Amino acid sequence: AQSVAQPEDQVNVAEGNPLTVKCTYSVSGNPYLFWYVQYPNRGLQFLLKYITGDNLVKGSYGFEAEFNKSQTSFHLKKPSALVSDSALYFCAVRDWAYGQNFVFGPGTRLSVLP
Amino acid sequence: NAGVTQTPKFRVLKTGQSMTLLCAQDMNHEYMYWYRQDPGMGLRLIHYSVGEGTTAKGEVPDGYNVSRLKKQNFLLGLESAAPSQTSVYFCASSRLDDGSPLHFGNGTRLTVT
Repeated sequence: AQSVAQPEDQVNVAEGNPLTVKCTYSVSGNPYLFWYVQYPNRGLQFLLKYITGDNLVKGSYGFEAEFNKSQTSFHLKKPSALVSDSALYFCAVRDWAYGQNFVFGPGTRLSVLP
Repeated sequence: NAGVTQTPKFRVLKTGQSMTLLCAQDMNHEYMYWYRQDPGMGLRLIHYSVGEGTTAKGEVPDGYNVSRLKKQNFLLGLESAAPSQTSVYFCASSRLDDGSPLHFGNGTRLTVT
């Protein structure tokens, strides 16, 4: 079965500094990987995805993620954090056990401090 | 373009009561899903639908039922609510292709006392 781990419950970073939110996965076959962001009292919003091709993918709001097959990781990154980036971030992998579903990690809360 | 709309936004039920959560999408998506979100557990799939008139069980289906009579609507029912069903419920939809992301509604916060 597919699974996703986000080893950090909370990440704190100062505004203007680079940020990384970590994700590792376990899948059979080629992974379809996604990052979503959730702001308070809102649903999840799609940020970016890796299906195939270049290991560095770029997404919304200046975020990017690096796919590393040997380390089974898909870390989310941003060169310069904003206070408005503070939110809950979910890594997810496509899973075909239930239709065309996703398996989500537990989430990482990012706090960007001014 | 409204995307995915969920009603109601909040609800408080007593144990044993029933209710229906409504989800509507205007993107002509084939797939629709119901998830529940609990602290530290990510999102867990309750039921899903791959098209009008079809539904299937997800990871945590017990105590819930669903219907998809129209392509744009996906209903989640609780026949006899239990405190363990206190959660935030999200509806989502997606296109058919494997690379298509989910589009989420803003959630329904349900408390069962």
